[in-house]
Amino acid sequence: GAGVSQSPSNKVTEKGKDVELRCDPISGHTALYWYRQSLGQGLEFLIYFQGNSAPDKSGLPSDRFSAERTGGSVSTLTIQRTQQEDSAVYLCASTPIGGAGNTIYFGEGSWLTVV
Amino acid sequence: QKEVEQDPGPLSVPEGAIVSLNCTYSNSAFQYFMWYRQYSRKGPELLMYTYSSGNKEDGRFTAQVDKSSKYISLFIRDSQPSDSATYLCAMSEWSQGAQKLVFGQGTRLTINP
Repeated sequence: GAGVSQSPSNKVTEKGKDVELRCDPISGHTALYWYRQSLGQGLEFLIYFQGNSAPDKSGLPSDRFSAERTGGSVSTLTIQRTQQEDSAVYLCASTPIGGAGNTIYFGEGSWLTVV
Repeated sequence: QKEVEQDPGPLSVPEGAIVSLNCTYSNSAFQYFMWYRQYSRKGPELLMYTYSSGNKEDGRFTAQVDKSSKYISLFIRDSQPSDSATYLCAMSEWSQGAQKLVFGQGTRLTINP
């Protein structure tokens, strides 16, 4: 596709349920990032993929959070046993390998509400 | 202390005013400096990108970087109501083969007609 695509765009889930958020990066972009943005806050780094491997997952807030990427393309962020504090916008971005800061493109985000 | 500090505002100015947005940072390893604009319920879009100290101009927007003071600014001239958005500063360094972006909190800006 022309841009970074994320789904679902909106998700309301009950506390304790698991959720999966999907990111489809720009074709040919080998690096993929997940960020989280809570209401009125800046973007918090979660994890970064280079191809299918995740050399930096330092931002994952707890072991309830995991992410994978397959085929060097689509990535899934999974949150298990969701809590109300997980409510946020989850943003995905991609860039070509070795890309400078001006080549990082964001999707529209998945808006997660835990009730 | 956060690596990147940005006043969250909100900031409200009349149409046509000059807007000044600022961020400070503590990590000397940051190499690239960006400003993103984010409209309500949209993803961030890159507005300005600079690498070195100095000024960079693009239309009504000017980005300024002072590495010695660890301070960056975004100036908007002749501000328009369509400029109303949240402005996020971001800085990056190479980490394990890729750019790792660190964001400020974002400043919510409203331009009043």
